[in-house]
Amino acid sequence: GDSVTQMEGPVTLSEEAFLTINCTYTATGYPSLFWYVQYPGEGLQLLLKATKADDKGSNKGFEATYRKETTSFHLEKGSVQVSDSAVYFCALGNSGGYQKVTFGTGTKLQVIP
Amino acid sequence: NAGVTQTPKFRVLKTGQSMTLLCAQDMNHEYMYWYRQDPGMGLRLIHYSVGEGTTAKGEVPDGYNVSRLKKQNFLLGLESAAPSQTSVYFCASSLITDTQYFGPGTRLTVL
Repeated sequence: GDSVTQMEGPVTLSEEAFLTINCTYTATGYPSLFWYVQYPGEGLQLLLKATKADDKGSNKGFEATYRKETTSFHLEKGSVQVSDSAVYFCALGNSGGYQKVTFGTGTKLQVIP
Repeated sequence: NAGVTQTPKFRVLKTGQSMTLLCAQDMNHEYMYWYRQDPGMGLRLIHYSVGEGTTAKGEVPDGYNVSRLKKQNFLLGLESAAPSQTSVYFCASSLITDTQYFGPGTRLTVL
C-alpha cells in the first residue's frame, strides 16, 4: 500500500539557516504530493503541493520538487525564521473513490534566535 | 467564512462513557474525514464520507461511529470510551479531488 517516510525530528536550527526535511514515498499510480504544517495548538494547513512529476510546489519561501525517479519530495527553505517553528507533515494523495491521503509521522522544527 | 470548526476543543471522559464530536464546514465540500493524531504515528483515518448520507470506514474505525445527516456536518461518536482512544481528533473536508482543509482539533482524554 501507499506509505510516506520522512526524517525523524526534532530538527533544531538557528535563524537564517538552510532547512531540508527529507521525504520519500511508495505509491501506486500517480499520486499528488503535499507538505502540511501544524503550528502549536492548531490543525494542519496546506503548505504546498505538487500534482505530477517534476512539478515544484512553493509557498512562503518553502519549496519541494516532485521527483518520480527517486520517489522523493524533500522540503527546503533557504533561510528559516523563528516563526517557522512547527511540525511538518509530508503526505501523498491518491484518488480511489475518495481523496485518500497518507501522512508521514511528522518532523518537528524548532528555530532558535 | 469559518472554514472547518470542531466542538468541543477539549474533553475528559471516564472509561465506558460516550460522547459525540461535531465537525462543521461552510465551504460546501462533498468529502469529510475524521482522523486521529497520536505521537509518532502521524494522522490515521478513522471514517470518511463522500457525500450527505454516506459514510465509510478508514484505517482505524473500531470503537467509533459516524453520521453525515447534513452536508455541512460530520459527527464522530464514541459509544464506550477506552483509554486507547485518548488522542487528538481532527476533522477535515475537501472537494472531490483537492486539498483537505483541517479543523483545529479536539483533545480527548479517557481516564
